[in-house]
Amino acid sequence: DAKTTQPPSMDCAEGRAANLPCNHSTISGNEYVYWYRQIHSQGPQYIIHGLKNNETNEMASLIITEDRKSSTLILPHATLRDTAVYYCIVRYLPSGNTGKLIFGQGTTLQVKP
Amino acid sequence: GAVVSQHPSWVICKSGTSVKIECRSLDFQATTMFWYRQFPKQSLMLMATSNEGSKATYEQGVEKDKFLINHASLTLSTLTVTSAHPEDSSFYICSARRPGTGELFFGEGSRLTVL
Repeated sequence: DAKTTQPPSMDCAEGRAANLPCNHSTISGNEYVYWYRQIHSQGPQYIIHGLKNNETNEMASLIITEDRKSSTLILPHATLRDTAVYYCIVRYLPSGNTGKLIFGQGTTLQVKP
Repeated sequence: GAVVSQHPSWVICKSGTSVKIECRSLDFQATTMFWYRQFPKQSLMLMATSNEGSKATYEQGVEKDKFLINHASLTLSTLTVTSAHPEDSSFYICSARRPGTGELFFGEGSRLTVL
């Protein structure tokens, strides 16, 4: 699985958009970009994933650059409950493969009032 | 609601005893489950892949005789920490893979403290 690079920490004001960057310059064509977050002492929570196109769901938006070497997770209106560690993971998911997730160090997002 | 459940949420045991942690997929049958370990202020480390009806696949450096994994049914995988020692104290997390979509759902985690 390709390695990802994320800033160790970020701050965001409550109500503002939180933009979390991720570099995955060695990603291959059949690898997906996944985002999970982990609130303290809980299991990781799935946020969103994508392959090439930008994606949006009720939680967040995922912007993937055209060359797929980096992506940005956007939380449009951050709340205090969004304070967590956010993990960007590149995952190979072919048919019949286990598609295991290998976690990096993630970005600790602190949403401040 | 949760689609993957772990039990117990926390456990305290004496050094030398064995502890079993259960991971259940509630909404689907999971042929593949994963076990992770997380130490304070660190990321999740994949320990092993649990395959229903066959032996688990362990990551490099993880002792298979120390961490026994059993995946006897499509909805249950268990991790047994044998002869636990204080250095085994950690947060253990499982995840289950939904067939077809490949989505991974995580349990709430189980905190083990070995005295």
